Amino acid sequence: NAGVTQTPKFRVLKTGQSMTLLCAQDMNHEYMYWYRQDPGMGLRLIHYSVGEGTTAKGEVPDGYNVSRLKKQNFLLGLESAAPSQTSVYFCASSSRDGFEKLFFGSGTQLSVL
Amino acid sequence: AQKVTQAQTEISVVEKEDVTLDCVYETRDTTYYLFWYKQPPSGELVFLIRRNSFDEQNEISGRYSWNFQKSTSSFNFTITASQVVDSAVYFCALSEEYTGNQFYFGTGTSLTVIP
Repeated sequence: NAGVTQTPKFRVLKTGQSMTLLCAQDMNHEYMYWYRQDPGMGLRLIHYSVGEGTTAKGEVPDGYNVSRLKKQNFLLGLESAAPSQTSVYFCASSSRDGFEKLFFGSGTQLSVL
Repeated sequence: AQKVTQAQTEISVVEKEDVTLDCVYETRDTTYYLFWYKQPPSGELVFLIRRNSFDEQNEISGRYSWNFQKSTSSFNFTITASQVVDSAVYFCALSEEYTGNQFYFGTGTSLTVIP
């Protein structure tokens, strides 16, 4: 029962470095999401995808890019990391639109020094 | 404006006490869904319940119950006879028909159950 898998679980970057977070789901879900969680701010949507080859901006998209080349994968990229991007990142998927529950990955703790 | 407000940032109760977590939402849609998620200290997010805007019937699942009141735009969550394992951060979330692909999460309520 893999569900939603995120890699890596932890990462430390220096300011200006780049990295990609990988999210993979094995439930054949159409919808995939990237959230960031910061203390006192809940979960905020970065980008989302409603299907293979499509992506859209969420509430806090600046500084991030995404790609959905395969239905099961949703990649989140940071081209030039900044300390403000220190956060816990969660990937989620759902079978259809926002009326179905989200299945979450276990999260990625990212620190940018 | 915050679409989902969880005014209680932190709550502490003694084991076996009842506790209610408040959630107030804001929407102009007539069709929407409300959710509760639990985030235990391990960090994963666990789905608890989904309720659509046309179903105001309260729901009970074991020690958990949810009170949905459209008149006050609230979807409150009560834990009866709390246990230490209930210690977690609880998030309320809203999904609207108009922006159906986006979930709006509250800032969470951190519940600590003291043994």
